[in-house]
Amino acid sequence: GEDVEQSLFLSVREGDSSVINCTYTDSSSTYLYWYKQEPGAGLQLLTYIFSNMDMKQDQRLTVLLNKKDKHLSLRIADTQTGDSAIYFCAERTGGFKTIFGAGTRLFVKA
Amino acid sequence: NAGVTQTPKFRVLKTGQSMTLLCAQDMNHEYMYWYRQDPGMGLRLIHYSVGEGTTAKGEVPDGYNVSRLKKQNFLLGLESAAPSQTSVYFCASSYGLAGLYNEQFFGPGTRLTVL
Repeated sequence: GEDVEQSLFLSVREGDSSVINCTYTDSSSTYLYWYKQEPGAGLQLLTYIFSNMDMKQDQRLTVLLNKKDKHLSLRIADTQTGDSAIYFCAERTGGFKTIFGAGTRLFVKA
Repeated sequence: NAGVTQTPKFRVLKTGQSMTLLCAQDMNHEYMYWYRQDPGMGLRLIHYSVGEGTTAKGEVPDGYNVSRLKKQNFLLGLESAAPSQTSVYFCASSYGLAGLYNEQFFGPGTRLTVL
């Protein structure tokens, strides 16, 4: 069935780069998303990538997509304490469903 | 614009009690969704609506009912709460279904505990 998997925790030092990884199963995915959830809040769309793209850069964020391996990553350059949050990978399947991963909790140490 | 709002923010119920969670959006979105978030699991879709007066089952609909009498509101009901329904509930809305029209805007969540 359709599934999205992510590691649950990542810890980095302030100023380092963070890389959050995600794998998905639906080869007919159209869009892939990264959502950010701050404590006590709902999810907010951080960035996205079309399934026919390999890479997308948006300021400190770089999204890489490997369609062959069904692997998506989010790189945050110069990670700040304000980046501490839970990051959810999600895929928009060919059947118009959005499947969310369990989320990766990013800890940023000062 | 308030975006998506949810009431209440917190609630504690006893097994067998009933309650209704209210979601409201002011973005004129057609599509609305109810999810539950449990530790170590992704968001799971409970029910959704593609427009006023319509509802449909999601991935985990059992034990829940919904209504969309007005376009801006989507209500989630628990008729007889069970401890397994202890969770954080998120409401979301989107303009459409396809591509970026499906960007979902989320409310802040309702933390429900069933004793």
